[in-house]
Amino acid sequence: EPEVTQTPSHQVTQMGQEVILRCVPISNHLYFYWYRQILGQKVEFLVSFYNNEISEKSEIFDDQFSVERPDGSNFTLKIRSTKLEDSAMYFCASSEARGNSYNSPLHFGNGTRLTVT
Amino acid sequence: TQLLEQSPQFLSIQEGENLTVYCNSSSVFSSLQWYRQEPGEGPVLLVTVVTGGEVKKLKRLTFQFGDARKDSSLHITAAQPGDTGLYLCAGPSNNTDKLIFGTGTRLQVFP
Repeated sequence: EPEVTQTPSHQVTQMGQEVILRCVPISNHLYFYWYRQILGQKVEFLVSFYNNEISEKSEIFDDQFSVERPDGSNFTLKIRSTKLEDSAMYFCASSEARGNSYNSPLHFGNGTRLTVT
Repeated sequence: TQLLEQSPQFLSIQEGENLTVYCNSSSVFSSLQWYRQEPGEGPVLLVTVVTGGEVKKLKRLTFQFGDARKDSSLHITAAQPGDTGLYLCAGPSNNTDKLIFGTGTRLQVFP
């Protein structure tokens, strides 16, 4: 069964450094998402991406964050200057159609654990 | 703001016991989804319930959507160690792309 793949599985970085988290969504999916899960807290929506542009972003997704689909397969999340509170699991997801419809479920990757020291 | 609260937060039981996990909101959701998440992995969709009062079964797991579409429950019969994991409910936010996730129930089933 096709799956969403994320790299790296674990990223350690120093505060103030830039990080890029990478994702390869399922090939025929059109909608892409980033969610994050701070340890012990809820899974939170960051951003959705469709037709090569951001379709929605949360209040968490400030100017330090950006997303890009540089080619036909990769979907990246960049954090420009990491802060301690950015430490979390970051999950990429994709769906065939808009992911909030019941017949178009989200498929999640296994996440990247980002640790900011 | 749409919120989903799950209870209990933690549950430790012996193999063979039955359990129920609850997902509650004061808001109406057009549908609710249940996911299971294992350590080091992303959430995996178990089921989506759409119609108020709907009951869906997945082997030993029974999912119910409340009549008013504000709550849902997950009942596991004869739990097994393989059921261990974090169970998450999630629902679509009105008129947006995002899924709102519940607070989660961490289940541990001991052999």
